[in-house]
Amino acid sequence: SQQGEEDPQALSIQEGENATMNCSYKTSINNLQWYRQNSGRGLVHLILIRSNEREKHSGRLRVTLDTSKKSSSLLITASRAADTASYFCATDARGANAGKSTFGDGTTLTVKP
Amino acid sequence: DGGITQSPKYLFRKEGQNVTLSCEQNLNHDAMYWYRQDPGQGLRLIYYSQIVNDFQKGDIAEGYSVSREKKESFPLTVTSAQKNPTAFYLCASRYVQDGNYGYTFGSGTRLTVV
Repeated sequence: SQQGEEDPQALSIQEGENATMNCSYKTSINNLQWYRQNSGRGLVHLILIRSNEREKHSGRLRVTLDTSKKSSSLLITASRAADTASYFCATDARGANAGKSTFGDGTTLTVKP
Repeated sequence: DGGITQSPKYLFRKEGQNVTLSCEQNLNHDAMYWYRQDPGQGLRLIYYSQIVNDFQKGDIAEGYSVSREKKESFPLTVTSAQKNPTAFYLCASRYVQDGNYGYTFGSGTRLTVV
């Protein structure tokens, strides 16, 4: 089964609002990453949070990680129409699965101007 | 500029044909990956290679083959054994920064069976 699973599957908000998406995973991880994908393009790395970190900020992005619940959230504040994209989490696993990251199905964010 | 180049951007394949998707990187990354993405879905790992002349199957390797003769290149062949090859294919390389891994992606190849 998928290591990383995002919810909601789709999110539609107005420009200026905040967008929150969540990611759950199943096994122990070294780190968790969030990526953005514009339609028909490759993924772009947004932010990485290590397993010993609880919160990280980058510009309008805020990521939290709760290893006890095996979950992470990505918050985009003051959203813009240009934030419209799909967002994926990826986990870098430990142990036997080290070396290959697993991506979830993503959250499709639509920001209406 | 360093990056990953995938070619072609669009590829059409006839039934029963093998086709090869190119992936080249000049980032000096050791590990490279191939993912398949179907509409509205996430990425599924096809094959990955952590070092030259070595590669491992991912979750959906059947009907695909790869080679890693050079560090810079990791081509993917979609064989006639792959029954449903129409999809978006993404190549990535992995870097290490401060002891943590991250991925750089190419812009993808969209393969359509005609």
